[in-house]
This record gives sequence, structure tokens and C-alpha cells, in this order.
Amino acid sequence: AQSVAQPEDQVNVAEGNPLTVKCTYSVSGNPYLFWYVQYPNRGLQFLLKYITGDNLVKGSYGFEAEFNKSQTSFHLKKPSALVSDSALYFCAVTILSGAGSYQLTFGKGTKLSVIP
Amino acid sequence: DAGVIQSPRHEVTEMGQEVTLRCKPISGHNSLFWYRQTMMRGLELLIYFNNNVPIDDSGMPEDRFSAKMPNASFSTLKIQPSEPRDSAVYFCASSLKGEQYFGPGTRLTVT
Repeated sequence: AQSVAQPEDQVNVAEGNPLTVKCTYSVSGNPYLFWYVQYPNRGLQFLLKYITGDNLVKGSYGFEAEFNKSQTSFHLKKPSALVSDSALYFCAVTILSGAGSYQLTFGKGTKLSVIP
Repeated sequence: DAGVIQSPRHEVTEMGQEVTLRCKPISGHNSLFWYRQTMMRGLELLIYFNNNVPIDDSGMPEDRFSAKMPNASFSTLKIQPSEPRDSAVYFCASSLKGEQYFGPGTRLTVT
């Protein structure tokens, strides 16, 4: 079985400071990892993914994430936070299923608040 | 592309009534997922389809819930009869190669 842990329910950061939203995972096999963002009253929006290759992946809106196999982590980062980054962030993991589809397992989400 | 389309965006109904939620996936995507999101339980996968075939419906809460995908461009999630505890935001998502693209959701309120 696969699982995702987002250990922080909420992260507060001052505008302009670097931000990190943590994610650890557990799968049997090679993981495919994703980050999504959800703004109030909206659907989840895809930010970035790790499939294979370079451990540092870059995504939308200046976000990046680093895959660390030994620590089974995939933390989301941004060098300089904006107030508009305030939202709910979800980490997700999957492996290719026998049916050829990708059933994602989502974490519980981390609420990011960027303080002006 | 217009993205994943869901209708209605809001639904208010009385307990015992039938509710049908609709989803149009992104053209060319071969997988479709139905999720439910509440404050208490977070994001839950209800069912997903691959090439219009239901693959895993283990997340469907009970027999009151049913989902269909008659063709590649349309899916429905039906609740009959509805109950107040079904109140939630229901999302549809589609995918082709891993990342899922979510619709705006249907906010269901059952009174």
C-alpha cells in the first residue's frame, strides 16, 4: 500500500522569506510524486511532478521540489514567498498500476499562510 | 482546452432526493476520477475509470452511490437517496500520463 504524510497542518511564513512544505511517502516500487495547490473554492491545480531523472524539479509559479530517495521525501520549496501563495498544498504519490492507470494517494494537505 | 467541466457547480437538495453530478473530462484523457472533499475527512477517492471501465470503486461509501461512464467524454455520479452526511464538494479529475487535472467541483448541500 502507498501512503503520503504531510506532517504540518499549517505553515506560516513571512512574505519574501523562503518556504518549505514537507512531504514524505511510502510505496513499494519507484514512486511518481506530485504537488498540487488548492485555492479557496477551487479545484486542485497541478504544480509539478517527479517521474525520474534530476532530483530537483521545477514547476509553476516559481515552486520547486526535491526528491530524496534515502529519506523518502519530496519537499516543496520556493525561494521567496508571496502573499498570493497562501493556499492549501497537497502532496501525492503513485506507482503505475497493473491497469495502466495512475491512482494517486494524497496527503491530508498543508495550509500555507504567507504573512505580509 | 476548457479543462475538466463539472455541473452543476452548486446543488442544494432535500434529504431523500436523487442527486446527479456530471463531469466532462479533458479530451483525449483516458482516466477519470471522482473525489469527495470535506473538512473532516479531507480528499477521498470514490471511484476511478480507465478507458471508460470502472477499475476501483472501493471508495464509494455505500450502495446509495453509483457512477457511470457511458463514453469517453461523459461521466455521472449519482446519489440516491441523498442524506445530510453526503454534503461535501465533489471533484472530478481526468488524466492521461500521471498528473490529474481537476474540475472546479460541485458543492452539494443536503438539508
